[in-house]
Amino acid sequence: EADIYQTPRYLVIGTGKKITLECSQTMGHDKMYWYQQDPGMELHLIHYSYGVNSTEKGDLSSESTVSRIRTEHFPLTLESARPSHTSQYLCASSAGTGGWINEQFFGPGTRLTVL
Amino acid sequence: AQKITQTQPGMFVQEKEAVTLDCTYDTSDQSYGLFWYKQPSSGEMIFLIYQGSYDEQNATEGRYSLNFQKARKSANLVISASQLGDSAMYFCAMREGDTGGFKTIFGAGTRLFVKA
Repeated sequence: EADIYQTPRYLVIGTGKKITLECSQTMGHDKMYWYQQDPGMELHLIHYSYGVNSTEKGDLSSESTVSRIRTEHFPLTLESARPSHTSQYLCASSAGTGGWINEQFFGPGTRLTVL
Repeated sequence: AQKITQTQPGMFVQEKEAVTLDCTYDTSDQSYGLFWYKQPSSGEMIFLIYQGSYDEQNATEGRYSLNFQKARKSANLVISASQLGDSAMYFCAMREGDTGGFKTIFGAGTRLFVKA
């Protein structure tokens, strides 16, 4: 069973606030990902990491930033939240060995609402 | 161009019957992987099944099977003996081995409704 955690699960916050969405995994996976998903819609990759101190922007432009100081931890930060950031944010990880065939394990998601 | 196309926004199936969810993909890589995920209303993504581009046999996992037709670039998910708990969004995804850099591309999803 996958062990990947996200907190908070739900967050309602006012415009202009700084927020950090937490993601942790206990599987020792090298690769981690952040996706943004509007309800009932496809997932869009916004950030990914191949390992410690490695982060890349994804296919969807995002005003968020990420860091990867430890293998197990991949937090996402919004410096100034706006209503357009309202969405679900899904964190995922995959093993580094075995190449590209490894499936991604997903966390339960954070549903963010910015008022 | 869309890399993953799921043409069925919504599907209905009677409980205990089989259903096929369509997925076509576009890639010029020789090495790639195809995945199906289930997303219930609670929001988490659940991995269902995987097919590698070099796999000659269609993948199967319990009631899930993947109908892989490489020449047609299709990777349809077949769910046999549908259950009420199968009602969810289903996403087809692809990871390109040569050029994708381990990024996974998702389709728009198909919402499946299982009727009692």
